Amino acid sequence: EMVLTQSPATLSVSPGERATLSCRASRNINSHLAWYHHKPGQAPRLLIYGASTRATGIPARFSGTGSGTEFTLTISSLQSEEFGVYYCQQYYDWPRTFGQGTKVEIK
Amino acid sequence: EVQLLESGGGLVQPGGSLRLSCASSGFTFTNYAMNWVRQAPGKGLEWVSVTSGSGFNTHDADSVKGRFTISRDNSNNTLYLQMDNLRAEDTAIYYCVKDSVWFGSGAFDMWGQGTMVTVSS
Repeated sequence: EMVLTQSPATLSVSPGERATLSCRASRNINSHLAWYHHKPGQAPRLLIYGASTRATGIPARFSGTGSGTEFTLTISSLQSEEFGVYYCQQYYDWPRTFGQGTKVEIK
Repeated sequence: EVQLLESGGGLVQPGGSLRLSCASSGFTFTNYAMNWVRQAPGKGLEWVSVTSGSGFNTHDADSVKGRFTISRDNSNNTLYLQMDNLRAEDTAIYYCVKDSVWFGSGAFDMWGQGTMVTVSS
């Protein structure tokens, strides 16, 4: 199965600072990659699909880049409500797989 | 507004069965694949199963193959997950998740709040 490896495992960021998260796929997945934000007790939310397209209602401070096996999610100015866990997910192959997550915490 | 409301979770003994339901509204249900994704305590997200818009095509994770069955009732806009021969490692929050396409290659664009399943004696 396709393995997605996220780094770092934990990222400490001050509100207003930039956050950069990485996701590496074990094989080429073209641009079939999505990013999600998950806070405890809430439903996960789609942020980015197609590696770089923002989902409906997602602010422009979220940007996704990459294709093939290397992907990056950048949050240009982290807001307090955006702390939590970020997952990448591939929808190129079955089974669908997620990365193990990057926890973004308040510095 | 898209709404996904899961129900049917609870405590069950190992080897037992449970049926989850997901009532959907706010979109044309038959036009989209639907998934179940779970999160075990302290762990990350794990995709479980998918069914196409028609319900005729399905895929399951190897961890649940032969034990879980995904299905849908398009007349009632409801998704189901029949879980048999449950194991302790199936303990998780189960999310009902809308796909962005009918079937094939889409991201998960809407998630329910989840329902907790606990497998324990």
